[in-house]
Amino acid sequence: AQSVTQLGSHVSVSEGALVLLRCNYSSSVPPYLFWYVQYPNQGLQLLLKYTSAATLVKGINGFEAEFKKSETSFHLTKPSAHMSDAAEYFCAVSRFNSGNTPLVFGKGTRLSVIA
Amino acid sequence: NAGVMQNPRHLVRRRGQEARLRCSPMKGHSHVYWYRQLPEEGLKFMVYLQKENIIDESGMPKERFSAEFPKEGPSILRIQQVVRGDSAAYFCASSPREFTEAFFGQGTRLTVV
Repeated sequence: AQSVTQLGSHVSVSEGALVLLRCNYSSSVPPYLFWYVQYPNQGLQLLLKYTSAATLVKGINGFEAEFKKSETSFHLTKPSAHMSDAAEYFCAVSRFNSGNTPLVFGKGTRLSVIA
Repeated sequence: NAGVMQNPRHLVRRRGQEARLRCSPMKGHSHVYWYRQLPEEGLKFMVYLQKENIIDESGMPKERFSAEFPKEGPSILRIQQVVRGDSAAYFCASSPREFTEAFFGQGTRLTVV
């Protein structure tokens, strides 16, 4: 079975500071990995995805994530936080070994950005 | 191309009533997925449907919950005899083919009073 663990249910950073949201996965075969963002009372928007191509994946809004097989990690980073980045972030892994969906989600990390 | 449309956005039901949630996938998408998000939790997979077929319902509660995706019209998630524990946000996602990126709707927030 596949699973995802997001370390830290709440992360707070200052505006302009580095954003680091942690995600570790468990999978018996190479996974597909995703980061989604959810703004209050909204649906999920895909930030980026890893599908076994380049290990450093660039997404929207300046976010990127690096797949590290040795650490079973897929941490999300952004060099400089903006107030508009405040939201809930979810890491997800593909549920079936052969493709992208359905997805298994982590519990989420709420990002707060302080002015 | 409109995104995944879910309605209603908010639904209030009394205990014992039925809740019916609708999801219209993106144009050209024939695969629909339902997820439930409980407070302070991530999304949990419920059911995966293709037109007129249930592909995987391993995440559906055994009782009171059912889903369909008819040949014509939206996908429907039905919850009979709702209880307070059913209060959650229910998200629908769609994809054009199996094993491709899924696009999410804005969700239906069900409150059982």
